[in-house]
Amino acid sequence: GDSVTQMEGPVTLSEEAFLTINCTYTATGYPSLFWYVQYPGEGLQLLLKATKADDKGSNKGFEATYRKETTSFHLEKGSVQVSDSAVYFCALSEDGATNKLIFGTGTLLAVQP
Amino acid sequence: DVKVTQSSRYLVKRTGEKVFLECVQDMDHENMFWYRQDPGLGLRLIYFSYDVKMKEKGDIPEGYSVSREKKERFSLILESASTNQTSMYLCASSRAGVAKNIQYFGAGTRLSVL
Repeated sequence: GDSVTQMEGPVTLSEEAFLTINCTYTATGYPSLFWYVQYPGEGLQLLLKATKADDKGSNKGFEATYRKETTSFHLEKGSVQVSDSAVYFCALSEDGATNKLIFGTGTLLAVQP
Repeated sequence: DVKVTQSSRYLVKRTGEKVFLECVQDMDHENMFWYRQDPGLGLRLIYFSYDVKMKEKGDIPEGYSVSREKKERFSLILESASTNQTSMYLCASSRAGVAKNIQYFGAGTRLSVL
């Protein structure tokens, strides 16, 4: 079945460092891919998405490119801030009728001043 | 603005109690979901509903049931709470139709079963 694998955390960075969180997926068809973020004490919110191969999703300085050849959707940011400290979830959806999401296990990012 | 509201942020219950977790969305979404979130396991789907009175089991439905009597409300029921159901519970909703539709999440209910 479909699955999502993302790098384990925690990831600890200093402010202004470069961030990469790896995400790879297994799917039978052509899924839509998402990154969700969960700030402390809150629910999840969409960070960015990509719906077809070579699409780049971007938001708040974060970017991820849908790479079909490597089945990957790695999250990057050029310069992280303390306020980016959160848990990041990679997810995919293949089911247009139900929008069921399959999530990775999440990666905790801690940014130190 | 889009809103999914869960009735409680924190809940403490005793083993064997019947527990109701309520979720309301104001976006007229067809689909609603209940997940549980545990460290190292990510989010796991318990149940989802694609219409009023319609439901389907997710990956971990054992010990849970759901109710959707109105489009905007989706309830998760623990018939007889057990300590292994201590967890964070997240509700979400989405518009139906295409896989790229976004799920919108509530703030979560942290349930402790003693």
